[in-house]
Amino acid sequence: EAGVTQFPSHSVIEKGQTVTLRCDPISGHDNLYWYRRVMGKEIKFLLHFVKESKQDESGMPNNRFLAERTGGTYSTLKVQPAELEDSGVYFCASSQELKGGGIYGYTFGSGTRLTVV
Amino acid sequence: DAKTTQPPSMDCAEGRAANLPCNHSTISGNEYVYWYRQIHSQGPQYIIHGLKNNETNEMASLIITEDRKSSTLILPHATLRDTAVYYCIVRGRNTDKLIFGTGTRLQVFP
Repeated sequence: EAGVTQFPSHSVIEKGQTVTLRCDPISGHDNLYWYRRVMGKEIKFLLHFVKESKQDESGMPNNRFLAERTGGTYSTLKVQPAELEDSGVYFCASSQELKGGGIYGYTFGSGTRLTVV
Repeated sequence: DAKTTQPPSMDCAEGRAANLPCNHSTISGNEYVYWYRQIHSQGPQYIIHGLKNNETNEMASLIITEDRKSSTLILPHATLRDTAVYYCIVRGRNTDKLIFGTGTRLQVFP
């Protein structure tokens, strides 16, 4: 089974530019999550999709961030315009409900390292 | 904020058992204890989770105290590849977020 794939693996952009990160979850996983770690801080939740719907976007820092998941397959996270404080590693994860519902473990991708200069 | 506290770092000799403690004194009855680890430059990796009984899988064992206020992750025979940051996370049944703390940096040495 292929894992969660993220690209690009690295991106360096100038302040004010736009960057789009992509995540391909494990096939068949309805749940898709975005997390990020900015310099010196803990890994923080950004948002959660169930299929194409946003289930929880309480962690999105501001309206410069836009996440989409058209068709319930891959997801994109766009930052526009990027600011210096957006630098960090952005992780995507996916999961599948266990039979009978309840708790499950996520599979994370390797992340996209974003550097805003 | 994370509901867990962990020591910032630990060392373990290769081949020995690594025992990583975690305190979660405010855990509630419907919350699970999860463990993830992050090896340098990779995404977090799920290890194990439990509610109140001890759990074991091919990666590790999880020992949860009877009062559920603390737990220990056991890597029975640590290898150099187990060097990573280990995160203990408390998560409710109806919550999808993982709230990461600062974790324990485990260094396995030869």
